[in-house]
Amino acid sequence: SQTIHQWPATLVQPVGSPLSLECTVEGTSNPNLYWYRQAAGRGLQLLFYSVGIGQISSEVPQNLSASRPQDRQFILSSKKLLLSDSGFYLCAWSADRGFNYGYTFGSGTRLTVV
Amino acid sequence: DQQVKQNSPSLSVQEGRISILNCDYTNSMFDYFLWYKKYPAEGPTFLISISSIKDKNEDGRFTVFLNKSAKHLSLHIVPSQPGDSAVYFCAASAKPGGSYIPTFGRGTSLIVHP
Repeated sequence: SQTIHQWPATLVQPVGSPLSLECTVEGTSNPNLYWYRQAAGRGLQLLFYSVGIGQISSEVPQNLSASRPQDRQFILSSKKLLLSDSGFYLCAWSADRGFNYGYTFGSGTRLTVV
Repeated sequence: DQQVKQNSPSLSVQEGRISILNCDYTNSMFDYFLWYKKYPAEGPTFLISISSIKDKNEDGRFTVFLNKSAKHLSLHIVPSQPGDSAVYFCAASAKPGGSYIPTFGRGTSLIVHP
């Protein structure tokens, strides 16, 4: 069965520090991978998605970047965090099944920038 | 501009009664709709979906209704249970360029009182 792992669960970082959140998927190959953010009082905002190694699409201009160094690994990074980067970050994967598909989310990372 | 709207940020229901969560969308290209359930500090989990060729889909206590002419869908939970207390996200997707990437609403927090 497929599983998705995301870590760390919580993170408190000072303004201006770097960030690296990692997400890995097991039990499948060539997944579509996504990074979402849920800020306080807002819905789920798509940040990045990737349909293959090295292929990253950015949905929202921001202080963050994403990379996919391996087929089942997706990394969210920042060189210098801002207070506005605080939020709940979710990694998700999907298989391109055509008509029937589903998104499976990781357990999330609560990031607080202080 | 929000393409998927959940206008009620919260809903309170008595155990055993019906919960009705509403969702409106503006993009007529959307052809697949999903509901996700999210507990605090966890990732959302897929609940139920419906394609635009149907107007109803039922799975146990959960039923989703789609009114394409009104661009409206609703999730009915009958009977409601305290364990249903969570944030419910409505999502919609289209495939203009070959990849289903859902747009999420801001969520409705459901509280089911014993």
